[in-house]
Amino acid sequence: DSGVTQTPKHLITATGQRVTLRCSPRSGDLSVYWYQQSLDQGLQFLIQYYNGEERAKGNILERFSAQQFPDLHSELNLSSLELGDSALYFCASSLSGASENEQFFGPGTRLTVL
Amino acid sequence: GNSVTQMEGPVTLSEEAFLTINCTYTATGYPSLFWYVQYPGEGLQLLLKATKADDKGSNKGFEATYRKETTSFHLEKGSVQVSDSAVYFCALLRGGSEKLVFGKGTKLTVNP
Repeated sequence: DSGVTQTPKHLITATGQRVTLRCSPRSGDLSVYWYQQSLDQGLQFLIQYYNGEERAKGNILERFSAQQFPDLHSELNLSSLELGDSALYFCASSLSGASENEQFFGPGTRLTVL
Repeated sequence: GNSVTQMEGPVTLSEEAFLTINCTYTATGYPSLFWYVQYPGEGLQLLLKATKADDKGSNKGFEATYRKETTSFHLEKGSVQVSDSAVYFCALLRGGSEKLVFGKGTKLTVNP
């Protein structure tokens, strides 16, 4: 158990809908990362937050947004969903966001868009 | 840009066989290199890492050596077990960045 929790574990929804994925980092970790794992694109970095502020952005679509709250949990919002958004979404956390800090991954949320 | 290429799977071995999963990278500067493992139904776990050239990362019988001259970080294990069945990801982290760049993953199945 990495100490990172993600809810829900599974999510099934329809095209055009909006969903929110939630992540709670390990106790004491200030940085949260979101990754998308899909069959065609593999594992891709989406976005990183550090202590409530956006720190780095990757291949995140404009239909997607995220935030980190004062209690350090994070939410990833996916809107106007398309079939291609079906994927496993991982959250990871690290102590400070510095490159030498290990990132600990949660179990993921499997999103299925029908 | 930064990228990681790892050998296509799936790889199927018998228990106690020798394992090699090849990984090469392209990066500016001097990245840190990682191997992550994903067991069925679980998230990624860090298996081992190396932060500079000629470093050897090791854990649970797995080893990988950071080879700058060949830009490689091949994963090896002398004697695999059924419990090693998982997907293995090679990844890099460029200095000053927090974005892990992953290879596509290699699925390993070990049969008894």
